[in-house]
Amino acid sequence: QKEVEQNSGPLSVPEGAIASLNCTYSDRGSQSFFWYRQYSGKSPELIMSIYSNGDKEDGRFTAQLNKASQYVSLLIRDSQPSDSATYLCAVTPFRNTGGFKTIFGAGTRLFVKA
Amino acid sequence: GAVVSQHPSWVICKSGTSVKIECRSLDFQATTMFWYRQFPKQSLMLMATSNEGSKATYEQGVEKDKFLINHASLTLSTLTVTSAHPEDSSFYICSARKSSSYEQYFGPGTRLTVT
Repeated sequence: QKEVEQNSGPLSVPEGAIASLNCTYSDRGSQSFFWYRQYSGKSPELIMSIYSNGDKEDGRFTAQLNKASQYVSLLIRDSQPSDSATYLCAVTPFRNTGGFKTIFGAGTRLFVKA
Repeated sequence: GAVVSQHPSWVICKSGTSVKIECRSLDFQATTMFWYRQFPKQSLMLMATSNEGSKATYEQGVEKDKFLINHASLTLSTLTVTSAHPEDSSFYICSARKSSSYEQYFGPGTRLTVT
């Protein structure tokens, strides 16, 4: 089982719709959770971080965390063609050693149709 | 803000030569920096974790003598690809982690082409 799993997609949604991106993780003691956006040919950009159960909203983005289910999601409201990118879920597991290395999922490709 | 720069943004070199890539955190101190490699349409691959003032920790399968990492200060880490070969051609991306959190901020990346 991969430490961080995402559906590779592509996830295709029409402009204006809600895009829902999901991620599961294996380490129950994980502490920190992040969503990054990566446009083709560019480096990842941090768009959301979440540390406690529940929802966290920032503009059109909402991150949802459920530690009991080991599940984190990202909702993008009013999706725009400019949101078309690969979204990476990242998790920092609890470790006593190893320097708290963040584990990245392989990413979900999102395509927003105009 | 949290800005990370990388230099150069792209480089072409001949097989057998060495290339140095710099990664700088511009507006925060980073005790830990990371180096990734990404091939076209593939996932990020962590190469090594760089801690200021100590030796880098390399991921399994990454040759430490080929990919030399130096983290000389809280704002600068360098990656040197020694004796580069065409198979080393890739997109190299660094990231820096704020000392106060686990958030990682990525540099814009360096596209290396070895001919």
